[in-house]
Amino acid sequence: QKEVEQDPGPLSVPEGAIVSLNCTYSNSAFQYFMWYRQYSRKGPELLMYTYSSGNKEDGRFTAQVDKSSKYISLFIRDSQPSDSATYLCANRGTSYGKLTFGQGTILTVHP
Amino acid sequence: DAGITQSPRHKVTETGTPVTLRCHQTENHRYMYWYRQDPGHGLRLIHYSYGVKDTDKGEVSDGYSVSRSKTEDFLLTLESATSSQTSVYFCAISESGSGGTEAFFGQGTRLTVV
Repeated sequence: QKEVEQDPGPLSVPEGAIVSLNCTYSNSAFQYFMWYRQYSRKGPELLMYTYSSGNKEDGRFTAQVDKSSKYISLFIRDSQPSDSATYLCANRGTSYGKLTFGQGTILTVHP
Repeated sequence: DAGITQSPRHKVTETGTPVTLRCHQTENHRYMYWYRQDPGHGLRLIHYSYGVKDTDKGEVSDGYSVSRSKTEDFLLTLESATSSQTSVYFCAISESGSGGTEAFFGQGTRLTVV
């Protein structure tokens, strides 16, 4: 069993839709939770970062962490074609910056 | 790209040949990492460094070695390339290892072993 599981999709939605991306994890030591966005043939870029359980909002993006169920989510409101990318969840414990990634979900937002 | 440069960006090499990928940073960050990205696996950590001459293995380190003689450079070497090492390799840096800032990634090196 992988430490971080993520549905690879692909996920296709119309412009303006609310998108929900999810990951589950098994390692209770994970305390930091990140979402990275990766455009085709580019490096991942940090989108959202949360510590422990709770919600964090940044513009159209909301990251949600539920440590009791080991479930993390990213919501995108009013999705735009420019949001089309691969979204990677990543977790880590307290030491160093070693990240454990999910497989990534391919998202396409069509006009 | 947070001052990270990977070179080369693309490389085709033959099985059995040595290959070295370079990661150069201008951020003076202490931590540097090498990941590989493959379909169905996401990104997996190969090796990382927590200071000059201080390195350690990651999840998929077999067949790879690294060196860090200066803060700004982290080299990844495939001693004898195999087809299973065909992948996209990403370098990442982070300012601190626990808490604080998270890892920032370079643009990647696409390596094909034929």
